[in-house]
Amino acid sequence: DAGVTQSPTHLIKTRGQQVTLRCSPISGHKSVSWYQQVLGQGPQFIFQYYEKEERGRGNFPDRFSARQFPNYSSELNVNALLLGDSALYLCASSSGLQETQYFGPGTRLLVL
Amino acid sequence: EDQVTQSPEALRLQEGESSSLNCSYTVSGLRGLFWYRQDPGKGPEFLFTLYSAGEEKEKERLKATLTKKESFLHITAPKPEDSATYLCAVQKNTGANSKLTFGKGITLSVRP
Repeated sequence: DAGVTQSPTHLIKTRGQQVTLRCSPISGHKSVSWYQQVLGQGPQFIFQYYEKEERGRGNFPDRFSARQFPNYSSELNVNALLLGDSALYLCASSSGLQETQYFGPGTRLLVL
Repeated sequence: EDQVTQSPEALRLQEGESSSLNCSYTVSGLRGLFWYRQDPGKGPEFLFTLYSAGEEKEKERLKATLTKKESFLHITAPKPEDSATYLCAVQKNTGANSKLTFGKGITLSVRP
């Protein structure tokens, strides 16, 4: 079975631009979570969606938003990009709200 | 506030030299403690979930244990392919969401 997929794999943007990252969960999984991982740190929780509803939000500014679609795929949007938004953005899916989370390969975002 | 501390930050072993990685945690109402392996530039790969003190799980050369304050990942006779960053994360016992709070990770290097 295919694992979690994310697109694009790499992205270069300039300050002030907007970016959309995409995630497809493992087939049958209804929950998607987003994490930001800065170099040398562990992943930090951004959002969790379950059955298309937001179920949790981490300590990130309102420039970060997300949504989940009827097919359970998800998008993460970041507006007004800052240099500090440069990171690996990870998507994880789970079959239920509190089940084990399986991660995708990530999207590497570089903001210049 | 939930806190996860991993030590040491980096560990260099000779092939066949067994050792342990430590994860100390502070969380009110632990639902589960998770271990992931992460290769450079890739997403975390799930290894183990531990739910209660005294629980142990094994997979090949890895064995994870849990107490009320910490978890250990024991690596027996490691091989160069075990070189990676090992991440520990905790999940709270709440019905709202299942966010993972990660430590910074331990970078393991195994020399042939």
